[in-house]
Amino acid sequence: DAEITQSPRHKITETGRQVTLACHQTWNHNNMFWYRQDLGHGLRLIHYSYGVQDTNKGEVSDGYSVSRSNTEDLPLTLESAASSQTSVYFCASGDPGQGVNEQFFGPGTRLTVL
Amino acid sequence: AQKITQTQPGMFVQEKEAVTLDCTYDTSDQSYGLFWYKQPSSGEMIFLIYQGSYDEQNATEGRYSLNFQKARKSANLVISASQLGDSAMYFCAMRGNNQGGKLIFGQGTELSVKP
Repeated sequence: DAEITQSPRHKITETGRQVTLACHQTWNHNNMFWYRQDLGHGLRLIHYSYGVQDTNKGEVSDGYSVSRSNTEDLPLTLESAASSQTSVYFCASGDPGQGVNEQFFGPGTRLTVL
Repeated sequence: AQKITQTQPGMFVQEKEAVTLDCTYDTSDQSYGLFWYKQPSSGEMIFLIYQGSYDEQNATEGRYSLNFQKARKSANLVISASQLGDSAMYFCAMRGNNQGGKLIFGQGTELSVKP
């Protein structure tokens, strides 16, 4: 069965370190997304990609970057982790043009920045 | 700008009763989609139901139905015959026209089902 996975599921890091969160999907979707979830804010879009070599900034992109070298993966990098980036991070994928309206979410990564 | 508003931070419902979770939205797009997701305490995001702006009928999926009132820009989720397993956070989300699938989420409503 097709799926979307994230790793690690839990991560503790220190302020100033570079951190990369992995996202891998086997749906063969062109569109992939990174969201962060914080209390009182729901989910907010960080970055997204509509295909290989395409990346775009979302609502809360400062301090984050992504790269898309293939269809399956969209890693999220925190260049210099800050305590304000402690959050739960969700990767998602979905192509509404294929007639499927659902956006599929990964299980999430809980990141703590000390 | 697009916006989703969920005004109920928390709600209680008695088991086996129906409950309505409110969602209002704001968009200038003519074509858009509205979603509801469930997030149990385990943390995963579970897709429940989808309504397209041009759909004439309200969407239904089992015990879930979406009360879509386009003129009022509301997309309330109705859960019939609540079960203990329905206790969770519920998020309303919107996808605008030509948005490539990216979603805008509301702040969520925490539903607690009482036995």
